[in-house]
Amino acid sequence: QSVLTQPPSVSGAPGQRVTISCTGSSSNIGAGYDVHWYQQLPGTAPKLLIYGNSNRPSGVPDRFSGSKSGTSASLAITGLQAEDEADYYCHSYDSSLSGVLFGGGTKLTVL
Amino acid sequence: QLQLQESGPGLVKPSETLSLTCTVSGGSISSSSYYWGWIRQPPGKGLEWIGSIYYSGSTSYNPSLKSRVTISVDTSKNQFSLMLSSVTAADTAVYYCATEVGCSGGYCYLVNYFDYWGQGTLVTVSS
Repeated sequence: QSVLTQPPSVSGAPGQRVTISCTGSSSNIGAGYDVHWYQQLPGTAPKLLIYGNSNRPSGVPDRFSGSKSGTSASLAITGLQAEDEADYYCHSYDSSLSGVLFGGGTKLTVL
Repeated sequence: QLQLQESGPGLVKPSETLSLTCTVSGGSISSSSYYWGWIRQPPGKGLEWIGSIYYSGSTSYNPSLKSRVTISVDTSKNQFSLMLSSVTAADTAVYYCATEVGCSGGYCYLVNYFDYWGQGTLVTVSS
């Protein structure tokens, strides 16, 4: 069980909007630590998708957006496309564990 | 654009030491803009941070692995390395090296993010 909890899977039809949650606690997200998101396509290395809670690196479509509130963060994907089918990971820091953390990952299936 | 490439043995025997090197191209490992990190991913599982190093040699490690991990940097070769001792089958994973960025656009974050990643290398622990 990861300290940063993500749903194991989400799904949506092409064109729809999906959200992936990353739920933490007062020692990580709730303590003000930034949350970053990565997309991992099958058989490839993770790719930075969102940094600093809500910022997109150049080249990442604006269909992807991030937000943070309280002890949770969310990744939203609008206008779902087949190419978005991948695993998504959130990333932050925990002061109680004194270490960098990843969420357990969420597999997005495009129906 | 930075490029990272992991190298090292793909098979390590139990109780021995896993050694990997990450070669950086397209930029200097002595840049003050980056930390350099190692992350691993067991087959079919999620990501686990192993540790990070700055070009000065300053390190931070995952507390759960700290007793077995050493990360070092060789600025003359533009490389940084990972050593993980006393390995078991549980250490079988794809090992990634990556750049860590703490500041962007004049703003510095409380948590570095991993910007550029190597392609990863599978290390199997087996006799």
